[in-house]
Amino acid sequence: GAVVSQHPSWVICKSGTSVKIECRSLDFQATTMFWYRQFPKQSLMLMATSNEGSKATYEQGVEKDKFLINHASLTLSTLTVTSAHPEDSSFYICSARDRERPNYNSPLHFGNGTRLTVT
Amino acid sequence: KQEVTQIPAALSVPEGENLVLNCSFTDSAIYNLQWFRQDPGKGLTSLLLIQSSQREQTSGRLNASLDKSSGRSTLYIAASQPGDSATYLCAVRSGGYQKVTFGIGTKLQVIP
Repeated sequence: GAVVSQHPSWVICKSGTSVKIECRSLDFQATTMFWYRQFPKQSLMLMATSNEGSKATYEQGVEKDKFLINHASLTLSTLTVTSAHPEDSSFYICSARDRERPNYNSPLHFGNGTRLTVT
Repeated sequence: KQEVTQIPAALSVPEGENLVLNCSFTDSAIYNLQWFRQDPGKGLTSLLLIQSSQREQTSGRLNASLDKSSGRSTLYIAASQPGDSATYLCAVRSGGYQKVTFGIGTKLQVIP
């Protein structure tokens, strides 16, 4: 159980275009989803916390207008990288928290990540 | 601000050896600590979750311990196998917003 599906697994886009990444919880409902970014040989950095039905909370230094997050349902959150540039090339991973588990007790379930390359 | 450090950064061992991966964190007021495995270019697979009130968790050949007061956790892997080769990440949940802070990981290679 507790499967998180992330799509696409990889994408190549041209500079200036926008890319949407989907994160779905397949067998549980997630009121909260998290988006991380991972640069080579670095740890995962939290970008934003996505709450169903409300605005996302962004970490310091993350541009809200560049990384648009939408959490329209209990099983889907999307991250849109707008006007992508080569420096946005990275590995993006989402995670979700099961709404049935108490916050302090619940593990995080991760998607398989999306490798974004901006040319 | 929570900081998580993992030592060593890389480890290479012959098959069959027992090994220990270390994780330390600066703020001991944590909710839980989770060990993950990440294969190259892949997402994270949860291995073990230790709540702040627990001292250890076991799953198969894996045993994770937690010493919250000293800010340390270890992941013990018994009888290592080539399939254990991956990067192992330690993640700590703490703070008012229960943020999760990751270490940079230990890259493990088990040589047949």
